[in-house]
Amino acid sequence: AQKITQTQPGMFVQEKEAVTLDCTYDTSDQSYGLFWYKQPSSGEMIFLIYQGSYDEQNATEGRYSLNFQKARKSANLVISASQLGDSAMYFCAMREGRVSNFGNEKLTFGTGTRLTIIP
Amino acid sequence: KAGVTQTPRYLIKTRGQQVTLSCSPISGHRSVSWYQQTPGQGLQFLFEYFSETQRNKGNFPGRFSGRQFSNSRSEMNVSTLELGDSALYLCASSFRGANTEAFFGQGTRLTVV
Repeated sequence: AQKITQTQPGMFVQEKEAVTLDCTYDTSDQSYGLFWYKQPSSGEMIFLIYQGSYDEQNATEGRYSLNFQKARKSANLVISASQLGDSAMYFCAMREGRVSNFGNEKLTFGTGTRLTIIP
Repeated sequence: KAGVTQTPRYLIKTRGQQVTLSCSPISGHRSVSWYQQTPGQGLQFLFEYFSETQRNKGNFPGRFSGRQFSNSRSEMNVSTLELGDSALYLCASSFRGANTEAFFGQGTRLTVV
């Protein structure tokens, strides 16, 4: 089974509108972290936002917020007031278990959503 | 504060050759992970290093290896290159134990001809 599922291969959104990118995950661990990254055509993976499984509040970072619904195992990214520069691939990722000295930094990524902002 | 630095940015190699890629993590970060990104397979975990020791390994053949130095810089090596090794190789650094962000470098785009 896929651990991270992103069901929207591509999205077109009008500039200044809000956009929600879907992400569902599958894990049996109680402790895990969820990440969203943006990858422009240059290839660099830009960290956007992080949500820990024990965090009670939804994470927010500027125009980005993460709609974390633990019971549904969903971690959707919301971008408010979209801008032309938001056009890129967006990846949802998960780190399972608690980080320890025995190693656990591995991220599992979804297949991504290509977001295109239309002027 | 400098970000994650990967060198070189672009590389063209011939089948059968070997290649070494370098990653310098963010200052103070001691954990380095490597990923391969291809159009067909997406982003796949290669390995993870902390304190000069490999802590975790993905499902890749033994031709893929890595190491980490005492200053946390990491290198990965691919021997006997195959056409299918053409990919974007990304390195991520994080502050072990913080359970928070992982920051990526700009990647090395390897083309095998």
